[in-house]
Amino acid sequence: AAGVIQSPRHLIKEKRETATLKCYPIPRHDTVYWYQQGPGQDPQFLISFYEKMQSDKGSIPDRFSAQQFSDYHSELNMSSLELGDSALYFCASSPIYPGQGQGTQYFGPGTRLLVL
Amino acid sequence: QQPVQSPQAVILREGEDAVINCSSSKALYSVHWYRQKHGEAPVFLMILLKGGEQKGHDKISASFNEKKQQSSLYLTASQLSYSGTYFCGTAPGGGADGLTFGKGTHLIIQP
Repeated sequence: AAGVIQSPRHLIKEKRETATLKCYPIPRHDTVYWYQQGPGQDPQFLISFYEKMQSDKGSIPDRFSAQQFSDYHSELNMSSLELGDSALYFCASSPIYPGQGQGTQYFGPGTRLLVL
Repeated sequence: QQPVQSPQAVILREGEDAVINCSSSKALYSVHWYRQKHGEAPVFLMILLKGGEQKGHDKISASFNEKKQQSSLYLTASQLSYSGTYFCGTAPGGGADGLTFGKGTHLIIQP
């Protein structure tokens, strides 16, 4: 079965640089979520999109922005990178069943970002 | 508000049972259970929607007490492959709400 695809899988950046992470959801999933997971920590929700519109917002820094495109893929743009941004970034996708509430979130393999 | 998971860690022998609990101080719409191995993505186990249902497949099952805002994950006859960190994720509403995860329960299965 097709899974969530994330690219790149690994990324090394210098402080103050920018980074763009990409996420391709499971086919026919119209909702995308972004999570950040630091070493030894639980995943922290950043932001979600449903049908290309921002749906929910978590602890996403103002330096980060994201969007969902017409083909449902999503990109997380990170600027002025800081050492503390080093983490695993997961994208998850889910189908939204009208009238049936929240769908299951399937996680991609993640992008490991290291900021030096 | 972050849900509270207990215990923080469990060490079992293969074949033993385990229960992992998740409680929230806020009203919940759904509880999601995941297992994560080191450096890998969280793997979905099950989702429980408000309505007090119980779900299960194979030797893993879960319950959701909406009134008490609690959920429990039951692992029976544990296998080596069950080792990992178990997270519960909660959502106050439906739709495309992000999940708030607990701090996780580390499960080690020994042969």
